[in-house]
Amino acid sequence: QVQLVQSGAEVKRPGSSVKVSCKASGGTFSSYAISWVRQAPGQGLEWMGGIIPISGTTNNAQKFQGRVTITADESTTTAYMELSSLRSKDTAVYYCAREVAIYSGSTMDSWGQGTLVTVSS
Amino acid sequence: DIQMAQSPSSLSASVGDRVTITCRASQSITSSLNWYQQKPGKAPNLLIYAASGLKSGVPSRFSGSESGTDFTLTISSLQPEDFATYYCQQSYRIPYTFGQGTKLEIK
Repeated sequence: QVQLVQSGAEVKRPGSSVKVSCKASGGTFSSYAISWVRQAPGQGLEWMGGIIPISGTTNNAQKFQGRVTITADESTTTAYMELSSLRSKDTAVYYCAREVAIYSGSTMDSWGQGTLVTVSS
Repeated sequence: DIQMAQSPSSLSASVGDRVTITCRASQSITSSLNWYQQKPGKAPNLLIYAASGLKSGVPSRFSGSESGTDFTLTISSLQPEDFATYYCQQSYRIPYTFGQGTKLEIK
């Protein structure tokens, strides 16, 4: 059973950057992808991007192109999501999730506990 | 991007009721559709994968089906712990997209 544990809450100023970590335990880190999903207060879920740790291949939603950097360190089984040029609309809970390929697409079957990022001056 | 139109946005029901939540994709996504349950302050939890696959450990009262670009989550007999928000998500094409969510409330 894979467990994902994320870093703690952050408060950031507009224009700054935040880096959220997601440490995986259990399972084989290189055998799946990690996706990042965010949820603004009272809103729905929004996929930001993901990484396949074994290859370092990333895919990001166009909306975040140029602002989001997703990386992974196989030696520590930790994935990271860095979001730059923060604005108030980036205030949200950020989740990492294990994404596994299945016979039809993929699915996110394990999730981190979430990291609240608050952007405020 | 593929749009996922989820309905209804909210639903009031009683324990023991049968409820249905629907998602319609803006184009063909084959069976690449997942359903998640989210309770307040918690991370989403996978219920159904690939339109109709029941995740291990999820009660059998949950089921999923598909018809073309229409997907349905059915809860056969609501239990108190089922009152939550439900989301569909397509994994056919990046960017993955979610439905707007259905908040299931106690009547």
